[in-house]
Amino acid sequence: AQTVTQSQPEMSVQEAETVTLSCTYDTSESDYYLFWYKQPPSRQMILVIRQEAYKQQNATENRFSVNFQKAAKSFSLKISDSQLGDAAMYFCAYRSSWGNTPLVFGKGTRLSVIA
Amino acid sequence: DAMVIQNPRYQVTQFGKPVTLSCSQTLNHNVMYWYQQKSSQAPKLLFHYYDKDFNNEADTPDNFQSRRPNTSFCFLDIRSPGLGDAAMYLCATSRDRSEQETQYFGPGTRLLVL
Repeated sequence: AQTVTQSQPEMSVQEAETVTLSCTYDTSESDYYLFWYKQPPSRQMILVIRQEAYKQQNATENRFSVNFQKAAKSFSLKISDSQLGDAAMYFCAYRSSWGNTPLVFGKGTRLSVIA
Repeated sequence: DAMVIQNPRYQVTQFGKPVTLSCSQTLNHNVMYWYQQKSSQAPKLLFHYYDKDFNNEADTPDNFQSRRPNTSFCFLDIRSPGLGDAAMYLCATSRDRSEQETQYFGPGTRLLVL
């Protein structure tokens, strides 16, 4: 079974600075999707960014980008120019391309942004 | 503008007393999911509906049931809540079950079992 590991339960960053959240996963599959979801306090979880495993180019969405290292099974999220609104729980998630399989989430990293 | 709505946001029930949590969506998505998220843990999928087709995860206890009377609504029934069922319950939708589809989450219902 696939597993997703987020080794940093909590992180903090100064406003306007850059922070990187780590995620590693374990799978024997070659084709899959990876996601970063953001869950702000008392608000719903939203998709931040998505990466297809067969694409070598790292996904970017405005201030959010990933460093996808397929061989190392690593999928880190970089947040540039951090803003107070970035404070949230961030979940890394994996989904297999085989059949009807669920999203597998990591335990999350709580990010604090310091003004 | 709310797309996935969950009611109530907070629910208190007694040990063993059946409780129902509600989810509705305005996205007209085919798939609706129910997740359980305990404190400081990752969301865990309980089951999902693809249209009217119910798909239960293998390790979801029998105590948890679900109903989807139409495209817009989905309910989570907990027949006899135990103390260990206290958690945040998240509803999510996606257009289809394809692996690349984004899941849209509701704000969750926090269940407290006394």
